[in-house]
Amino acid sequence: QSALTQPRSVSGSPGQSVTISCTGTSSDIGGYNYVSWYQQHPGKAPKLMIYDVTKRPSGVPDRFSGSKSGNTASLTISGLQAEDEADYYCCSYAGGFTSYVFGTGTKVTVV
Amino acid sequence: QLQLQESGPGQVKPSETLSLTCTVSGGSVTGKNDYWGWIRQPPGKGLEWIGSIYYSDNTYYNPSLKSRVTMSIDTSKRQFSLNLYSVTAADTAVYYCVRGTIVLVLDWGQGTLVTVSS
Repeated sequence: QSALTQPRSVSGSPGQSVTISCTGTSSDIGGYNYVSWYQQHPGKAPKLMIYDVTKRPSGVPDRFSGSKSGNTASLTISGLQAEDEADYYCCSYAGGFTSYVFGTGTKVTVV
Repeated sequence: QLQLQESGPGQVKPSETLSLTCTVSGGSVTGKNDYWGWIRQPPGKGLEWIGSIYYSDNTYYNPSLKSRVTMSIDTSKRQFSLNLYSVTAADTAVYYCVRGTIVLVLDWGQGTLVTVSS
């Protein structure tokens, strides 16, 4: 199980859009439509933002959206806000029972 | 609302065993779609799945840690536990207990920092 590859950091101004990529293989992202995204503020536990590639849990703003093409998944934050500044991790199911593979993490900075 | 709370020593000596317990409140641990697990995060680094357990006691471990990990569950106490053997400094991390399905993590505990040091 190798970690999924994410950019170390992305940044944007308030109101802009940013997109975070998450690249895996045909054994994880490419093989299943079970990609999830987590937001983590400093010193806090991660929070589920997107699941099943595109779905948002109740309470997550519709500024957050997910997509997938081949072995790469993406998280887009539209209308960037100051509170969106955090670390973001992708995660993919990788077959078998409860085999989670996480991404390397991306720091989103609102400049 | 379901809540998870980790408990255990904040410091463990090298070569000894790291033992943590997670207590679940606001729900049971016998849900048919629920898997209970542990995820860790070394300081300043990313997330790593350690393993998961089902209420029936079936366990599933990260292959990279499998030789050093055991998990157990006590449905009557609504608790599940982690033992990580022969720890080194590389095992220093925030350890989160989690609830998930077979394909994603749904709920997280607040996390507990465990430092491996003599």
